[in-house]
Amino acid sequence: DQQVKQNSPSLSVQEGRISILNCDYTNSMFDYFLWYKKYPAEGPTFLISISSIKDKNEDGRFTVFLNKSAKHLSLHIVPSQPGDSAVYFCAATFAGGTSYGKLTFGQGTILTVHP
Amino acid sequence: EAGVTQSPTHLIKTRGQQATLRCSPISGHTSVYWYQQALGLGLQFLLWYDEGEERNRGNFPPRFSGRQFPNYSSELNVNALELEDSALYLCASSLDTGSDTQYFGPGTRLTVL
Repeated sequence: DQQVKQNSPSLSVQEGRISILNCDYTNSMFDYFLWYKKYPAEGPTFLISISSIKDKNEDGRFTVFLNKSAKHLSLHIVPSQPGDSAVYFCAATFAGGTSYGKLTFGQGTILTVHP
Repeated sequence: EAGVTQSPTHLIKTRGQQATLRCSPISGHTSVYWYQQALGLGLQFLLWYDEGEERNRGNFPPRFSGRQFPNYSSELNVNALELEDSALYLCASSLDTGSDTQYFGPGTRLTVL
């Protein structure tokens, strides 16, 4: 049961343009969402998070949008840089039941930013 | 500030052996989490330790176990290794329990031959 889905396996963007990575979830109990960036054979690096009480959170070039009614979140990177090329994972959690302390991850989207 | 550290970086074992992986959380963090990333699969939650107690575990057999020490470092033990246990094992820590940001270490690559 894939509760968090990233339907685009890959995304290719030109340097300086906007990158938009999408994520859908099915469990309405999720109340905290995170985006991580990962290079091969390394651990994920935390980028940005958002609580379900908000619909937008910004940190520098990164903005996360949350649409609770659609159970959809997106990560916008503006402007995109070649160093942003990596695998991006969205993750979700809520403090209850068997999900307590557990991050549920999507399958990841490979972002390639071309110079 | 030092991040989450894990050792060893790589570990090669044969089927049936036991593997022990170690993790030191960020200073001040009390919760430690373990995840498995097998080839072609996403990150799967394994275990969560907080204040020395196992708080939650994912859908993994009992031969995956661990513990958390008084200094909040943690150990993951995998007994009776199987070929499909070959994966990147990631440790994360967080300042607080439950729905808090988890910061990951570099991982231990376990290869079972």
